[in-house]
Amino acid sequence: GDSVTQMEGPVTLSEEAFLTINCTYTATGYPSLFWYVQYPGEGLQLLLKATKADDKGSNKGFEATYRKETTSFHLEKGSVQVSDSAVYFCALSDRTGNQFYFGTGTSLTVIP
Amino acid sequence: EAQVTQNPRYLITVTGKKLTVTCSQNMNHEYMSWYRQDPGLGLRQIYYSMNVEVTDKGDVPEGYKVSRKEKRNFPLILESPSPNQTSLYFCASSLYGTIFEGGYTFGSGTRLTVV
Repeated sequence: GDSVTQMEGPVTLSEEAFLTINCTYTATGYPSLFWYVQYPGEGLQLLLKATKADDKGSNKGFEATYRKETTSFHLEKGSVQVSDSAVYFCALSDRTGNQFYFGTGTSLTVIP
Repeated sequence: EAQVTQNPRYLITVTGKKLTVTCSQNMNHEYMSWYRQDPGLGLRQIYYSMNVEVTDKGDVPEGYKVSRKEKRNFPLILESPSPNQTSLYFCASSLYGTIFEGGYTFGSGTRLTVV
């Protein structure tokens, strides 16, 4: 079945460092891919998305490119801030929208 | 403001005492879902509903019930809670058929502890 695998955490970075959180997927067909962010004590918020191959989703300085050839959707940010400290979830939806799968989450801590 | 509202935010209860966690959305979404979040396991779907009176099991439905009598509300019922249901619960909603395009809107979560 469909699934999402993301890199284990936790990840600790210094402010202004470059961030990559890896995400790969397994799916039949052509799913949509998402990154959600969960700040401490809050629910999940949609960070960015891509609905077809080679699409790049971007928001708040974060980017991810839908790579069909490598079945990946890695999250990147060029310069992280303390306020980016959160848990990040990669997710996948099949084309019907009836199946939605989350990765296990990657905790990011950014230190000043 | 468009939102999904869950109540309560925190709940401590004893084994076997029936409880209900409420979920309400004001976006006229057809699709609603319950997830539980546990360390190392990510989010797992408990139940979902595609519309009023239409519900179906997710990946971990055992020990839970749901109902969808109105479009806006989707309560989660634990008839006889057990300690292994201690978890962080999230309600989420979406316009039906647009999850593929836009994903979910999540509530703020309910942290449940069963002792």
